[in-house]
Amino acid sequence: AQKITQTQPGMFVQEKEAVTLDCTYDTSDQSYGLFWYKQPSSGEMIFLIYQGSYDEQNATEGRYSLNFQKARKSANLVISASQLGDSAMYFCAMRDGGFQKLVFGTGTRLLVSP
Amino acid sequence: DSGVTQTPKHLITATGQRVTLRCSPRSGDLSVYWYQQSLDQGLQFLIQYYNGEERAKGNILERFSAQQFPDLHSELNLSSLELGDSALYFCASSVVRGGPQSTGELFFGEGSRLTVL
Repeated sequence: AQKITQTQPGMFVQEKEAVTLDCTYDTSDQSYGLFWYKQPSSGEMIFLIYQGSYDEQNATEGRYSLNFQKARKSANLVISASQLGDSAMYFCAMRDGGFQKLVFGTGTRLLVSP
Repeated sequence: DSGVTQTPKHLITATGQRVTLRCSPRSGDLSVYWYQQSLDQGLQFLIQYYNGEERAKGNILERFSAQQFPDLHSELNLSSLELGDSALYFCASSVVRGGPQSTGELFFGEGSRLTVL
């Protein structure tokens, strides 16, 4: 069964600095997808970025990039130039080969200070 | 706006009661997923429906049941409620058989916050 591990319960970063949120995963599947979602205090789940297991390049979406290291089974989220609005919970998630459910990690709470 | 609609947004009820949470998926999405998020916890998968049929089951209690109707909306029924059922319940939908560029991401509704007193 797939498993996602996020070992950082909370992270602090100053505005305009970069921050890396860690995510490791465990799966026996060859084909899988990795996702990051943001959950602000208002509660909604916002999709940020996706990485497929066969993608050769790391995914990027604006200020978000995913540092995908397949051999280490890690999929860390890098947020560049942090903004106050980035303060939120961040969840790493994985799906298996088909379009199936996502398995989520326990999340990392990011606080961005001025 | 994800396109997924959940009602009600907030619900307060007493132990032992029964509630129904409703979800309308994005237009064209055949698959609906239900997740439970307890206070400061991650999302726990409950159940998935695809085009009216149950596709996958997670940690869903026997007191909970769900269904997906012909118009693809879904309902999650929670009965004999306990204090521990207080949580944020999310519905999500996805394109199950998307094109080559489809990531299979889930689109989440805003959630239904259930408080059991």
